Amino acid sequence: EDQVTQSPEALRLQEGESSSLNCSYTVSGLRGLFWYRQDPGKGPEFLFTLYSAGEEKEKERLKATLTKKESFLHITAPKPEDSATYLCAAYTDKLIFGTGTRLQVFP
Amino acid sequence: NAGVTQTPKFRILKIGQSMTLQCAQDMNHNYMYWYRQDPGMGLKLIYYSVGAGITDKGEVPNGYNVSRSTTEDFPLRLELAAPSQTSVYFCASSLDRSNQPQHFGDGTRLSIL
Repeated sequence: EDQVTQSPEALRLQEGESSSLNCSYTVSGLRGLFWYRQDPGKGPEFLFTLYSAGEEKEKERLKATLTKKESFLHITAPKPEDSATYLCAAYTDKLIFGTGTRLQVFP
Repeated sequence: NAGVTQTPKFRILKIGQSMTLQCAQDMNHNYMYWYRQDPGMGLKLIYYSVGAGITDKGEVPNGYNVSRSTTEDFPLRLELAAPSQTSVYFCASSLDRSNQPQHFGDGTRLSIL
């Protein structure tokens, strides 16, 4: 069965304290790995798509990487405005979502 | 562009009532989707549409119906509301159903009492 698992479930960071979020996947025929940001009371907001192992993409303090079994979202020197839930989703012929990592960044 | 617009934002229903959740997109996307998001669970696909007049079931379609008469609109119908349908419902759209990103609305929070 296709599955996407995110860890940790929740992460508390001090402002400026870099860390990584993990997304491991077990799917048949990965066609893309998506990262989304979700703020409370809002819908998921698209961040990145990664298509093949070894690919990396960056946006401000965020960098996403992909291997054959997992993806990482690296957050460098986070700020309080980076607080949100981060979702990853594996695309086969449909999107399979993980349950998210809830990130809180404190000043 | 407004993107994907969902109405209403909140709703409380009694068991057995019916209602329609509205979704509209202005990006001229062919593909539209309905998901539900429950606490501690990933988003689950209810129904999707590849274009006007064409719809198909997702992972959790029971208790719901959809129609797609125009490219822009994709309403979700609950006929006999049940407590198990208490959830947050998200509509999304994408240019096609390959590996293009889906763009989401801000959701409808539905409680069934």
